[in-house]
Amino acid sequence: EVQLVESGGGLVQPGGSLRLSCAASGFSFGTSAMHWVRQAPGKGLDFVADIGSEETSINYADSVRGRFTISRDNSKNTLYLQMSSLRVEDTAVYYCVKDFAPYNSGLFDYWGQGTLVTVSS
Amino acid sequence: DIQMTQSPSSLSASVGDRVTITCRASQGINNYLAWIQQKPGRAPKSLIYGASRLHSGVPSRFSGSGSGTDFTLTITNLRAEDFATYYCQQYSAYSWTFGQGTKVEIK
Repeated sequence: EVQLVESGGGLVQPGGSLRLSCAASGFSFGTSAMHWVRQAPGKGLDFVADIGSEETSINYADSVRGRFTISRDNSKNTLYLQMSSLRVEDTAVYYCVKDFAPYNSGLFDYWGQGTLVTVSS
Repeated sequence: DIQMTQSPSSLSASVGDRVTITCRASQGINNYLAWIQQKPGRAPKSLIYGASRLHSGVPSRFSGSGSGTDFTLTITNLRAEDFATYYCQQYSAYSWTFGQGTKVEIK
């Protein structure tokens, strides 16, 4: 069974930093591209960032480029999202999402339960 | 970015009904279109990819069609567990983008 378990969310002040983690199991993590997708309270879904299976391809949404860094450790089956210079508008549930392919196809097949990040003073 | 527009934004239906949701892309995306279901307080779940292919384990009462810019999601014989919000998503070009969602409510 595919499992994606996010952690690291919480309350942070504007301008602060936070690192999210996603522990993966039940599939070959090292051969799957991965994504972060977020959902602001009461809003829809927004792509944040993705990373290919070998970290050779990394992409960011314009809204987070230069502030967020996606990475992965295939030896630990873990995906990360380092977030810095956080803004109030970054407040959202952040979902870890598995890609159907080893490259960044954008075809999502499994979603984690999400972790809530709240940016507020 | 490619804009995805869904209609309606919400609808009311009864158990057993047939429901159709439409999604329009601002430019052609071939069949790189997915449908995603989200129940209140729950994580999203991928239902359909390639405009019409069901992910593993998805009931056959869900179906998708379309190509280019216009797509539909149809749920036949609506069941209680189908009341949720449905999003379309294009994966033709970055940045991957979603429709605003269609909330299917109980009449």
